[in-house]
Amino acid sequence: GDSVTQMEGPVTLSEEACLTINCTYTATGYPSLFWYVQYPGEGLQLLLKATKADDKGSNKGFEATYRKETTSFHLEKGSVQVSDSAVYFCALKGKQAGNMLTFGGGTRLMVKP
Amino acid sequence: DVKVTQSSRYLVKRTGEKVFLECVQDMDHENMFWYRQDPGLGLRLIYFSYDVKMKEKGDIPEGYSVSREKKERFSLILESASTNQTSMYLCASRSSGRASYNEQFFGPGTRLTVL
Repeated sequence: GDSVTQMEGPVTLSEEACLTINCTYTATGYPSLFWYVQYPGEGLQLLLKATKADDKGSNKGFEATYRKETTSFHLEKGSVQVSDSAVYFCALKGKQAGNMLTFGGGTRLMVKP
Repeated sequence: DVKVTQSSRYLVKRTGEKVFLECVQDMDHENMFWYRQDPGLGLRLIYFSYDVKMKEKGDIPEGYSVSREKKERFSLILESASTNQTSMYLCASRSSGRASYNEQFFGPGTRLTVL
């Protein structure tokens, strides 16, 4: 079945540091890929998405490129802020019936001033 | 502004109690979902519903049931709560549009502790 693997956290960075959170997936066909963010005490929010190979999703300074050849969708940001501290989830939506989302385990990011 | 609300943010119950978690969405979405979130395991789908009175099992339905009597409301029921059901429960909804990347909107979650 479909699966998503993302790097374990927590990831601790200083403000203005570069961020990369790795995400790789296993799926049949060409799934859609997503990054969700969960701020403390809140539900998940969609951060960005990509629906086909080589698409780049971007939002709030975050980017991720759909790499079919490496089955990856790594999340990147050039300069993180304290307000980016949250848990980040990589997810895919496969082509099977129901189009269910499959989530990775989540990566906690802590940004220190 | 789209909204998914859950009846409680925190809940403490005893082993063997019947527990109801309620979720309401105001977006007229056809699809609704219940997940549980556990550290290191991400979100795992318990049940989903694609229409009123319709339900489908997700990846981990054991020990849970659901009810969808009205389009806007999706309830998760723990018939006899157990300590291994201590978790964060997240509700989500999504429209049934043709786009394969329709966004799921999440509620704030209910943190359930079973003693």
